[in-house]
Amino acid sequence: QLQLQESGPGLVKPSETLSLTCTVSGGSISSSSYYWGWIRQPPGKGLEWIGSIYYSGSTYYNPSLKSRVTISVDTSKNQFSLKLSSVTAADTAVYYCARPSMATSDAFDIWGQGTMVTVSS
Amino acid sequence: DIQMTQSPSSLSASVGDRVTITCRASQSISSYLNWYQQKPGKAPKLLIYAASSLQSGVPSRFSGSGSGTDFTLTISSLQPEDFATYYCQQSYSTPVTFGPGTKVDIK
Repeated sequence: QLQLQESGPGLVKPSETLSLTCTVSGGSISSSSYYWGWIRQPPGKGLEWIGSIYYSGSTYYNPSLKSRVTISVDTSKNQFSLKLSSVTAADTAVYYCARPSMATSDAFDIWGQGTMVTVSS
Repeated sequence: DIQMTQSPSSLSASVGDRVTITCRASQSISSYLNWYQQKPGKAPKLLIYAASSLQSGVPSRFSGSGSGTDFTLTISSLQPEDFATYYCQQSYSTPVTFGPGTKVDIK
């Protein structure tokens, strides 16, 4: 059974770079049927798609964050990663990794448990 | 970007009630509409994809309908475990976007 697990620092200082990793277990990240994505949710608020990556490295980013976001994949470790630069308090959120599946019309059918990241000095 | 709206933003209902939540897209998204359930402190869970397809393992009391710009999620008989927040999401084009959510709580 495929599982996703986010990891990374829970506290980041303003103006620094937020870095998170999602480890895929129970399956290969190199499957040709799937992209892999990042979604965030500020406390008490709704869901915002950050971006997605194919195992080959093709990426799609939310234009609202594109200038600050980099998503990469490491197939040897079965992981994909998120970097968000120049963070502010507005980037405080629970960050989820998730899998959009072509089998479910690109809906996110598998999610990690989420990791809370606080931006504060 | 395609904007998603939901109504109502919250509702109170009793166990056994029939509940309907509406989602509207700012432009046609065909049937690329998905519904999620989120409980406090948990990740969202996919309920319905492609507007009306029930995700594996999801109880049949959940159903979805609609196409184009107007969609509905129906819970035929609300159960205690269904009290949660529900989000719609369009996967028609990037950036994918979510509705603001509908919170279903106990009357």
